[in-house]
Amino acid sequence: AQTVTQSQPEMSVQEAETVTLSCTYDTSESNYYLFWYKQPPSRQMILVIRQEAYKQQNATENRFSVNFQKAAKSFSLKISDSQLGDTAMYFCVIQGGSEKLVFGKGTKLTVNP
Amino acid sequence: KAGVTQTPRYLIKTRGQQVTLSCSPISGHRSVSWYQQTPGQGLQFLFEYFSETQRNKGNFPGRFSGRQFSNSRSEMNVSTLELGDSALYLCASNRSPPPDTQYFGPGTRLTVL
Repeated sequence: AQTVTQSQPEMSVQEAETVTLSCTYDTSESNYYLFWYKQPPSRQMILVIRQEAYKQQNATENRFSVNFQKAAKSFSLKISDSQLGDTAMYFCVIQGGSEKLVFGKGTKLTVNP
Repeated sequence: KAGVTQTPRYLIKTRGQQVTLSCSPISGHRSVSWYQQTPGQGLQFLFEYFSETQRNKGNFPGRFSGRQFSNSRSEMNVSTLELGDSALYLCASNRSPPPDTQYFGPGTRLTVL
């Protein structure tokens, strides 16, 4: 079984500042993907960033980057230059082998003006 | 390219009724997954279809069923609705069998009275 733990239920950050969301996971799969999805108040689930476990290089997408520590089973998301539009629920997600997506409980991020 | 579409967006039913939700995946995507999202349980996997075959099924009662058509469109059906079935139902599609990035539709908000 795969599990995902997000230890920060809520976080807030000032506009233009940097924030890091934490995530730890557990899996017995050797081939797996990790994702961060965000769900704004509109409830649309949007892919933020993807990391393949076999890649050592941390994924980046514009202002979003991850710190993937495979041995520690840690997968944190860093948001730089936070914008009001980043306000959302952020889900850390794992998908191993042919398995379904397994979601963490989510971190509610609020960006304050 | 058009995204994942779900119909209807909102639905109100009464206990004991049945409901059918529809999902059209991104063009070229052959895999469709369904998730139930509730405040208490978070996001839970319902089932996944690839090329008209159910590949994975979550831990839901038999009242929840689904199918996929030859054009990759998918439907899920819930019979004998219960109050606890009130939720946001999300559909996601991906091009290949897992692991692969899933792209989500806007969801169907089901309210059972």
